Amino acid sequence: TQLLEQSPQFLSIQEGENLTVYCNSSSVFSSLQWYRQEPGEGPVLLVTVVTGGEVKKLKRLTFQFGDARKDSSLHITAAQPGDTGLYLCAGARGGSQGNLIFGKGTKLSVKP
Amino acid sequence: DSGVTQTPKHLITATGQRVTLRCSPRSGDLSVYWYQQSLDQGLQFLIQYYNGEERAKGNILERFSAQQFPDLHSELNLSSLELGDSALYFCASSVGSGLNTEAFFGQGTRLTVV
Repeated sequence: TQLLEQSPQFLSIQEGENLTVYCNSSSVFSSLQWYRQEPGEGPVLLVTVVTGGEVKKLKRLTFQFGDARKDSSLHITAAQPGDTGLYLCAGARGGSQGNLIFGKGTKLSVKP
Repeated sequence: DSGVTQTPKHLITATGQRVTLRCSPRSGDLSVYWYQQSLDQGLQFLIQYYNGEERAKGNILERFSAQQFPDLHSELNLSSLELGDSALYFCASSVGSGLNTEAFFGQGTRLTVV
């Protein structure tokens, strides 16, 4: 059983479209992180959200942490081909970076 | 370039063999983490070392072991390899070990067991 469920698994859209990917769990997390991973590379941290209900913006990316700290979403506005990649969410249940539980990811393809 | 160096980049070996994966963390980082990424399981945390000592343990098999040396580089040893051990193995490093310290991932070692 996957502790963190990400949806959709795959998403193929045209440049300029908006999209939202979701990260859901029945468990409470002390914080949640989003990463982007490109082929042949390791994941790169995009954001960490800590407080229930928190919203963080990073240029065209908006991250939200659910009020109950069990779920999160990532919204991309006006997607660009450079946004293509695997988006991973990871929940922390303790105070250490090492206790991260990763979802399986959403593979995003943005076509020009 | 994250500053984390992993070698080798690719490794092909036979079942039953033993391999060692190496990781050099970013300069100044004391924590090293090992992760396994496979298609069916996703990214799974294996083990963390902080300044030479084991700090946290995840889903690491008994056939696997790791250590962090005085110069802070780390090695992950995988023995009695099985086909199911084929995966991408990532090392990450961070300055501290708390959640708010960002971890930087290396490019990974792709292990293929045949």
